Amino acid sequence: EIVLTQSPGTLSLSPGERATLSCRASQSFTSSYLAWYQQKPGQAPRLLIYGASTRAPGIPDRFSGSGSGTDFTLTISRLEPEDFAVYYCHQHGSSPPYTFGQGTKLEIK
Amino acid sequence: EVQLVESGGGLVQPGGSLRLSCVASGFTFSGYSMNWVRQAPGKGLEWVSYISGSSSTIYYADSVKGRFTISRDNAENSLYLLMNNLRDEDTAVYYCARRYSSTWGIDSWGQGTLVTVSS
Repeated sequence: EIVLTQSPGTLSLSPGERATLSCRASQSFTSSYLAWYQQKPGQAPRLLIYGASTRAPGIPDRFSGSGSGTDFTLTISRLEPEDFAVYYCHQHGSSPPYTFGQGTKLEIK
Repeated sequence: EVQLVESGGGLVQPGGSLRLSCVASGFTFSGYSMNWVRQAPGKGLEWVSYISGSSSTIYYADSVKGRFTISRDNAENSLYLLMNNLRDEDTAVYYCARRYSSTWGIDSWGQGTLVTVSS
């Protein structure tokens, strides 16, 4: 099983700042199978990034993803008030189990 | 517009059973693999089960293997999760989720249905 570890657990920033979220895998896998989701309280997750670096339709260009192998990053270039939420990385590779990171909570400083 | 609507959640005693349903609309249901993903109160996301469009391929998380059964009825645009021998740790919101493609992964989620296992 591929374990995904996200850091930090909580990130406190102000609107307008840059956010960098990390997702580290216990073993290397194809970056095609790495996705990022945003979840707000009481809502279902929303797909932000797939294939490690491709924005899903309708996602603002302030969101970007990068990485390969075991290290992946989600960057939000300039935080907007609506970006404060919990973010999850997810690997959905060729073989299950498919796994999620434990989440990074992005909170307003 | 893709819509996924779950139902069937509720309060059940440990050892009991429950069947979740998910009705899909806005896309050709048979053309997509589907998943169940759950989220315990205040916790993160946990993948539970996967079924291919034709039901030919099915996977389960180890935590539910042998107790849960995923199935689908493409004629009814419906996805199901039969949960037997429920445990306290199965308490969660259960989401029905569409896998758009092998590259995209899950792109659409239902609103979730809450399952509470308690005596």
